[in-house]
Amino acid sequence: AQSVTQLDSHVSVSEGTPVLLRCNYSSSYSPSLFWYVQHPNKGLQLLLKYTSAATLVKGINGFEAEFKKSETSFHLTKPSAHMSDAAEYFCVVSPSGGSYIPTFGRGTSLIVHP
Amino acid sequence: SQTIHQWPATLVQPVGSPLSLECTVEGTSNPNLYWYRQAAGRGLQLLFYSVGIGQISSEVPQNLSASRPQDRQFILSSKKLLLSDSGFYLCAWGGGGPNTGELFFGEGSRLTVL
Repeated sequence: AQSVTQLDSHVSVSEGTPVLLRCNYSSSYSPSLFWYVQHPNKGLQLLLKYTSAATLVKGINGFEAEFKKSETSFHLTKPSAHMSDAAEYFCVVSPSGGSYIPTFGRGTSLIVHP
Repeated sequence: SQTIHQWPATLVQPVGSPLSLECTVEGTSNPNLYWYRQAAGRGLQLLFYSVGIGQISSEVPQNLSASRPQDRQFILSSKKLLLSDSGFYLCAWGGGGPNTGELFFGEGSRLTVL
């Protein structure tokens, strides 16, 4: 079985400073990993995905994530936060063994101060 | 391109009244379909998923039900709403296979039960 742990429920940064949202996963196989963003009262939008190609994955809006198998991590980063980045972020691992249910982390709320 | 439509966007219903939320997908065939719920300040809770017409899997026992009368239509229903049914409901579709974690979400339906 797989699991996802988002290590911070809230992250607070100032505009223009770097963003780091942490995600650790547990999986008995080589997983696909995803980051989603959800703005208030909106659906989730895919930011980026890792599917066993390059370990450094670039996504939309300047975000990127690095897959580190040795650390079982898939942290999301951005060099410079913008006010519009304030949202909820979810780390997701694809299912295994014929399941159709991806596993979502509990989410990290990113707060951006002016 | 694929699109997903979900309605209504908001609704306020009295306790004991029925519910019907509808979701349709365009531009793809035989998608995996999902209903999630978010309570205020909480993560995503998977309610139902479907891998084909008439095939519904329930993840959480509750007074809600789901149906898939057509390939790209997914309906969430209740005969009698409870206060605890309030929340933000999200429909999503996915293509399955190695990218089963890649989901495309609707804009959500906010339900308030009074």
